[in-house]
Amino acid sequence: GDSVTQMEGPVTLSEEAFLTINCTYTATGYPSLFWYVQYPGEGLQLLLKATKADDKGSNKGFEATYRKETTSFHLEKGSVQVSDSAVYFCALAASGGSYIPTFGRGTSLIVHP
Amino acid sequence: GAGVSQSPSNKVTEKGKDVELRCDPISGHTALYWYRQRLGQGLEFLIYFQGNSAPDKSGLPSDRFSAERTGESVSTLTIQRTQQEDSAVYLCASSLGTGFDEQYFGPGTRLTVT
Repeated sequence: GDSVTQMEGPVTLSEEAFLTINCTYTATGYPSLFWYVQYPGEGLQLLLKATKADDKGSNKGFEATYRKETTSFHLEKGSVQVSDSAVYFCALAASGGSYIPTFGRGTSLIVHP
Repeated sequence: GAGVSQSPSNKVTEKGKDVELRCDPISGHTALYWYRQRLGQGLEFLIYFQGNSAPDKSGLPSDRFSAERTGESVSTLTIQRTQQEDSAVYLCASSLGTGFDEQYFGPGTRLTVT
């Protein structure tokens, strides 16, 4: 079945550092890929998405590129802020006809001033 | 417009009691999902409703769990004879249609079984 693997957290960075959160996936067909973010005390919200190979999703300074050859969708940001502290979830959807998204376990990011 | 709302936000119950959790999706969203999120874990799919089709119940962990949805509106998740391992945050999400679509999540219901 489909699966999503994220790097273990927590990831701890100083403000203005470069961020990478790795995400790889296993899926049949051609899934759409998502990054969701969960700020403390809130529900998940979509951060960015990509629907086909080589697409780059971007939002709020975050980027991720759909790499079919390496089955990856790594999240990056050039300069993190304290307000980026949250849990980040990688997910895929609609692979092989299933309408049930598959989520990774989440990666906690802590940014210190 | 209004987002997805869930109630209650917190629920503490004694082992063996039944609980009912409510989700109000965004108006016009035909798809509705329930997930369970245990402390420090990812999202565990429970059940999926799409319009008037039969729900996909493949993620329900036991027959103590059930869910209903009235048309394309409110959904309730019921857990009977709660156990301590049911303690978690229960998240509801809705989307316009298929799995390709962005999901909009509610804030969740934190369930604690004592």
